[in-house]
Amino acid sequence: ETGVTQSPTHLIKTRGQQVTLRCSSQSGHNTVSWYQQALGQGPQFIFQYYREEENGRGNFPPRFSGLQFPNYSSELNVNALELDDSALYLCASSLAGTSGSNEQYFGPGTRLTVT
Amino acid sequence: AQSVTQPDIHITVSEGASLELRCNYSYGATPYLFWYVQSPGQGLQLLLKYFSGDTLVQGIKGFEAEFKRSQSSFNLRKPSVHWSDAAEYFCAVGARGNNNDMRFGAGTRLTVKP
Repeated sequence: ETGVTQSPTHLIKTRGQQVTLRCSSQSGHNTVSWYQQALGQGPQFIFQYYREEENGRGNFPPRFSGLQFPNYSSELNVNALELDDSALYLCASSLAGTSGSNEQYFGPGTRLTVT
Repeated sequence: AQSVTQPDIHITVSEGASLELRCNYSYGATPYLFWYVQSPGQGLQLLLKYFSGDTLVQGIKGFEAEFKRSQSSFNLRKPSVHWSDAAEYFCAVGARGNNNDMRFGAGTRLTVKP
């Protein structure tokens, strides 16, 4: 059983640029959630994808968008980067439709720095 | 919407001493509750979870937590702390019947003194 993986590990971008982060879900999982963790804070829910559709969204602007692919992997896209977007971006996978479906397994994260 | 408060930003304990990390939640019904641990530069690892049933739940690495509905709390405990337990600990609450929008507390950083 493979765990959740994310790429890249680290990324440096300039304000105004666009970035794409990638996540491969744990084997057998069909749901992917994305979180933003600013330095010294807890993770904040960005959105979740289930069966390739967005299944809930946190308080993030539309320039944060995502995709889920048929193999359940996912991408997070951020347009028009701002300095405050600098954070650790965490991906979590889970299996919806079973008891305990809220149990999410996290990847190691992508550290994004916006200069 | 659900929310979580972790009142202690930073706790220091001596190795071998007992530990209790506090977590209070706000939710209109019985929530799903979780404790995660995060080492520097790493993702989150699930320590334990509460969905229903026995209010005292056992987790990995010798941790346990007790759900107290009357106090809206889900405190994490360990009888004897090891130096390797030094990390950031996050309490999280998820809404029942809804797999999304899990809310995390701000975290408690644990330092272990030799």
